[in-house]
Amino acid sequence: AQKVTQAQTEISVVEKEDVTLDCVYETRDTTYYLFWYKQPPSGELVFLIRRNSFDEQNEISGRYSWNFQKSTSSFNFTITASQVVDSAVYFCALSEFRLGSQGNLIFGKGTKLSVKP
Amino acid sequence: GAGVSQSPSNKVTEKGKDVELRCDPISGHTALYWYRQSLGQGLEFLIYFQGNSAPDKSGLPSDRFSAERTGGSVSTLTIQRTQQEDSAVYLCASSLLGIGTQYFGPGTRLLVL
Repeated sequence: AQKVTQAQTEISVVEKEDVTLDCVYETRDTTYYLFWYKQPPSGELVFLIRRNSFDEQNEISGRYSWNFQKSTSSFNFTITASQVVDSAVYFCALSEFRLGSQGNLIFGKGTKLSVKP
Repeated sequence: GAGVSQSPSNKVTEKGKDVELRCDPISGHTALYWYRQSLGQGLEFLIYFQGNSAPDKSGLPSDRFSAERTGGSVSTLTIQRTQQEDSAVYLCASSLLGIGTQYFGPGTRLLVL
């Protein structure tokens, strides 16, 4: 069975601090996708990144970076120099990567990040 | 271009009434998904449409829930005889292919009194 665990329910930091959001996943598939989505107070889920299981390269996009380690089944997300606008709930998700599969997302419970000025 | 749109944005109904929720996916996206987000259950998959194929209904919680997709585009999620536990945010997402990145709409917040 597929499962995503985000052990951190809530994190509070002060602006300009770095913060890492943890994500651990379980799957029997050898090919899969991993995702991060952001849900600000407005409620809409905003896509941040997608990685496939073949690509373990870390990725950096501005203040955001992602560390994918298949050996530990983890896909962690780091925000450098956090800002108040980063305050949101962040979801990690997993989906199958097979043509013909439904590809529905399996979500973690989310981590609520509060960045205080 | 336009993103996924959903209507209504909010819906308040009385227990036992039927409701219809609408989703308009991104133009050209063949795959469409419905999810439900509630405090107790988090984000749950409900149903999946791929083009004009029969939908995958494996996530629907009961037979009171149904969905259709007309012309491979707009989808309607119907909940019959609503119950208080149906109160949640219903999210629609679409992707270019069934294994592509899913883009979400703003959701419909349903409150059953």
